[in-house]
Amino acid sequence: NAGVMQNPRHLVRRRGQEARLRCSPMKGHSHVYWYRQLPEEGLKFMVYLQKENIIDESGMPKERFSAEFPKEGPSILRIQQVVRGDSAAYFCASSPRGEEQFFGPGTRLTVL
Amino acid sequence: GENVEQHPSTLSVQEGDSAVIKCTYSDSASNYFPWYKQELGKRPQLIIDIRSNVGEKKDQRIAVTLNKTAKHFSLHITETQPEDSAVYFCADGGSNYKLTFGKGTLLTVNP
Repeated sequence: NAGVMQNPRHLVRRRGQEARLRCSPMKGHSHVYWYRQLPEEGLKFMVYLQKENIIDESGMPKERFSAEFPKEGPSILRIQQVVRGDSAAYFCASSPRGEEQFFGPGTRLTVL
Repeated sequence: GENVEQHPSTLSVQEGDSAVIKCTYSDSASNYFPWYKQELGKRPQLIIDIRSNVGEKKDQRIAVTLNKTAKHFSLHITETQPEDSAVYFCADGGSNYKLTFGKGTLLTVNP
């Protein structure tokens, strides 16, 4: 059973471009969470999704950020018009029932 | 979870000694408390968790205790080894498993 997969592992964007981060949950897991980790800080919750539904997006910035988890395919975290402050590691986690969350390797976004 | 305080921020121990990390939380409705270990540049790994219907849980050299009345929980690592060196995060799963993390403890185990 493959673990949570994320791609790309590293992403470099210039200010104003779009960033798309992908997360494939573990097989059988229908709950997906996205977290952001700034350098030398803890992880901050962004959004919680189940298939085709956003359950809780209270940690998402109101503008430029969106997330989806379609019926088929990976979950996508999309950041439009990136700014330098978006540079961080973005982790997704998946869970079978919402309790134990298993993390992917993360995508390290650098905005130039 | 609303807010999670974690102490200490750094901890240095000699190999073979015990290490204790403490966290407090504020959300009375919380009922799930996991601990994660993160090595530099790696993903957070779930090492142990506890639910509000138990006070203590143990897995080999790792144990977690929970005091719901005082709203605090602790991680205990016995017989520490150099490979235990990492950043450890506690988290509060609130009532809907949206994790609120502490700021982390950098544990260094000196050989």
